[in-house]
Amino acid sequence: AQKITQTQPGMFVQEKEAVTLDCTYDTSDPSYGLFWYKQPSSGEMIFLIYQGSYDQQNATEGRYSLNFQKARKSANLVISASQLGDSAMYFCKIGQNFVFGPGTRLSVLP
Amino acid sequence: EAGVAQSPRYKIIEKRQSVAFWCNPISGHATLYWYQQILGQGPKLLIQFQNNGVVDDSQLPKDRFSAERLKGVDSTLKIQPAKLEDSAVYLCASSIILGRGNTIYFGEGSWLTVV
Repeated sequence: AQKITQTQPGMFVQEKEAVTLDCTYDTSDPSYGLFWYKQPSSGEMIFLIYQGSYDQQNATEGRYSLNFQKARKSANLVISASQLGDSAMYFCKIGQNFVFGPGTRLSVLP
Repeated sequence: EAGVAQSPRYKIIEKRQSVAFWCNPISGHATLYWYQQILGQGPKLLIQFQNNGVVDDSQLPKDRFSAERLKGVDSTLKIQPAKLEDSAVYLCASSIILGRGNTIYFGEGSWLTVV
């Protein structure tokens, strides 16, 4: 079975500052993928970034980067230079199909 | 490129009534998913199709939920009869193929309220 834990129900960050959203997971699969999605109030789930468990380097996509620590089973999302439009729910997901975490609500303050 | 299309966007029904949601995936995407997202929670997979075949429906409440993807493109999710606890957003998603690193793209969701 796979399980995702996101311990921060809500986070606040000042505009233009960086913020880290935590994600820890549990899986027995030897190979797996980790995904982060953003869900604004409109409801659509927007793919942000992907990390493969055997990737040597941490994934980066523009202002998004993953702090992947395989031994600790954590895959934290770092958002640099926060913007007001980053205010949304953020979900960590493991595996192709099944398991999303409970989410973290990020609020960016002007 | 057009995204995943879903309709209706919003639906309010009384308990014990039926409802159907439609999804058109991104062109060329063989894999289609239906997720249920209850307010305040992460999405939960209900069913996954690969072309027109069911890959996984282990979390679909089959006594009241059904889904089909007859021609391997569009899909319909039906709830009959609806219960109050079915109030949720129903998200359709698609991906090119089934695979560990394959990105899933979501539609905007169909918001269901059962009263």
